[in-house]
Amino acid sequence: QKEVEQNSGPLSVPEGAIASLNCTYSDRGSQSFFWYRQYSGKSPELIMFIYSNGDKEDGRFTAQLNKASQYVSLLIRDSQPSDSATYLCAVNGAAGNKLTFGGGTRVLVKP
Amino acid sequence: DVKVTQSSRYLVKRTGEKVFLECVQDMDHENMFWYRQDPGLGLRLIYFSYDVKMKEKGDIPEGYSVSREKKERFSLILESASTNQTSMYLCASSGASTGEQYFGPGTRLTVT
Repeated sequence: QKEVEQNSGPLSVPEGAIASLNCTYSDRGSQSFFWYRQYSGKSPELIMFIYSNGDKEDGRFTAQLNKASQYVSLLIRDSQPSDSATYLCAVNGAAGNKLTFGGGTRVLVKP
Repeated sequence: DVKVTQSSRYLVKRTGEKVFLECVQDMDHENMFWYRQDPGLGLRLIYFSYDVKMKEKGDIPEGYSVSREKKERFSLILESASTNQTSMYLCASSGASTGEQYFGPGTRLTVT
């Protein structure tokens, strides 16, 4: 079983809609959770991090964390074609600052 | 803003050559990491370092070594490049008390 799991997609959403991405993790001791955006051929770019249960909003992005159920999600509101990318979920376990990455969800926003 | 730079964007080497990939960060971060990323396999950790002259193996260290002589610089070395080391190599750094990692632009290495 993978430690951090994401649906590989592609998740196809119409422009202006909400994209909802999910990520589950296996280590109950995980402390911090991150979302990265990666355009094709480019390196991952940090877009959100969340440490506490609940929601955290930053512009059009909202991260949601539920430690009891061991999942973290990312909502992208008013999706734009420029949001088309692969989104990586990463989890910081109890031991040190290593991150464990999921395989990523590819998002396609269609005009 | 955190800046992580890598010595080359594209590199072509021959089988058996010794290859050096360099990474420099300007945020005084304690932690530095080397990953490779391949289609279908995601990001895989090769080596990381929590301090100068300190290194720890990641998930796929075979065929690689690293050097960290200065806090801002972390080098990845392929002692004898092989075709299965053709990949995108990504360097990242993070602070001691924070988990978020910041990535460099990556080096696409082709070994022929």
